[in-house]
Amino acid sequence: QKEVEQDPGPLSVPEGAIVSLNCTYSNSAFQYFMWYRQYSRKGPELLMYTYSSGNKEDGRFTAQVDKSSKYISLFIRDSQPSDSATYLCAMASGSRLTFGEGTQLTVNP
Amino acid sequence: EPEVTQTPSHQVTQMGQEVILRCVPISNHLYFYWYRQILGQKVEFLVSFYNNEISEKSEIFDDQFSVERPDGSNFTLKIRSTKLEDSAMYFCASSGLRSNEQFFGPGTRLTVL
Repeated sequence: QKEVEQDPGPLSVPEGAIVSLNCTYSNSAFQYFMWYRQYSRKGPELLMYTYSSGNKEDGRFTAQVDKSSKYISLFIRDSQPSDSATYLCAMASGSRLTFGEGTQLTVNP
Repeated sequence: EPEVTQTPSHQVTQMGQEVILRCVPISNHLYFYWYRQILGQKVEFLVSFYNNEISEKSEIFDDQFSVERPDGSNFTLKIRSTKLEDSAMYFCASSGLRSNEQFFGPGTRLTVL
């Protein structure tokens, strides 16, 4: 079983849609959870960082963590064409990040 | 806004040659990392560096790899004798007091011929 599983997509939605991206994990030692956005051939850009179960909101983005189910989500409200990118979940127990495969998202105008 | 920078953006080398990838982390950060991403695959951890020594490394980071912080601003990754399978994007990252809140550079694309 992979430590981190993420549906690779691709996911295609119309502009303005609510997007839900998800990851599951198997390693109970993971305590810190991140979402990164990666444009083609660019470095990952940190979007959200959280370490507790529950929701964290930042603008149009909401990160949700459920440690009991080992499940994390990223919601994007009012999605824009500029949100088109690959979204990576990442998790850590110490300083080493373990990434998911990434979900490729396209938001169509 | 401070950011991690990396040079060069693209490096082409012959198999067996040594390469040095360079990074300038965010200036007040304490932890430094290298990751790699083979085309079409996930981002993989290579090594973390703190207080002038390696704090953790992955099974990928074998004797062919080394890291150094030669001065107060640069952080380098050296691959001693490159192999075809070292072709990948190499990302440098840095973090402050929260070691797992990591900020990534734009990457160096390494092509080994």
